[in-house]
Amino acid sequence: GDSVTQMEGPVTLSEEAFLTINCTYTATGYPSLFWYVQYPGEGLQLLLKATKADDKGSNKGFEATYRKETTSFHLEKGSVQVSDSAVYFCALSYNQGGKLIFGQGTELSVKP
Amino acid sequence: GAVVSQHPSRVICKSGTSVKIECRSLDFQATTMFWYRQFPKQSLMLMATSNEGSKATYEQGVEKDKFLINHASLTLSTLTVTSAHPEDSSFYICSAGGDGFGQPQHFGDGTRLSIL
Repeated sequence: GDSVTQMEGPVTLSEEAFLTINCTYTATGYPSLFWYVQYPGEGLQLLLKATKADDKGSNKGFEATYRKETTSFHLEKGSVQVSDSAVYFCALSYNQGGKLIFGQGTELSVKP
Repeated sequence: GAVVSQHPSRVICKSGTSVKIECRSLDFQATTMFWYRQFPKQSLMLMATSNEGSKATYEQGVEKDKFLINHASLTLSTLTVTSAHPEDSSFYICSAGGDGFGQPQHFGDGTRLSIL
């Protein structure tokens, strides 16, 4: 079946460091891929998305490229801020119904 | 602004009581809504798909009689945890949208349920 695997956390970085959170997926079809962010005590917010191979999603300095050949959708940011501290979820869905399949989440902690 | 509203944000109640959680889409109609459960430090587990005007579709292992879902209108779905026990304590999150290809779901802010 379909699944999403993320690198384990927590990830601890200093402010202005480069961030990479790895995400790989297994899919029987051609899903859309998403990154969601969850701040403490809150629901999820969409960070970025990509709907087909080689698409790059970007938002708030974060980027991720849909790599079909490596079945990956790694999240990157060139310079993290303390305010980026949160849990990041990689997810996939198909057009039928929009049900999301989530990775296990990666906690990011950015220190000043 | 928020496009999906979830209420209440926090509930503390005694074992044996039933708790209702509401999920509303604020500026769009949602024929489908989703209910997730999240344990501390873990990912979201899809519990069920709520379908407007018809029965919900539950994921394997989720008790239908325990978690009652009603989707009576295009903007409201409710999850009722019946006869709640301490093991039902969790963070429950709803989402709506995502009906088109690649369209993202919008999530509510979640409900922290604590059963004493």
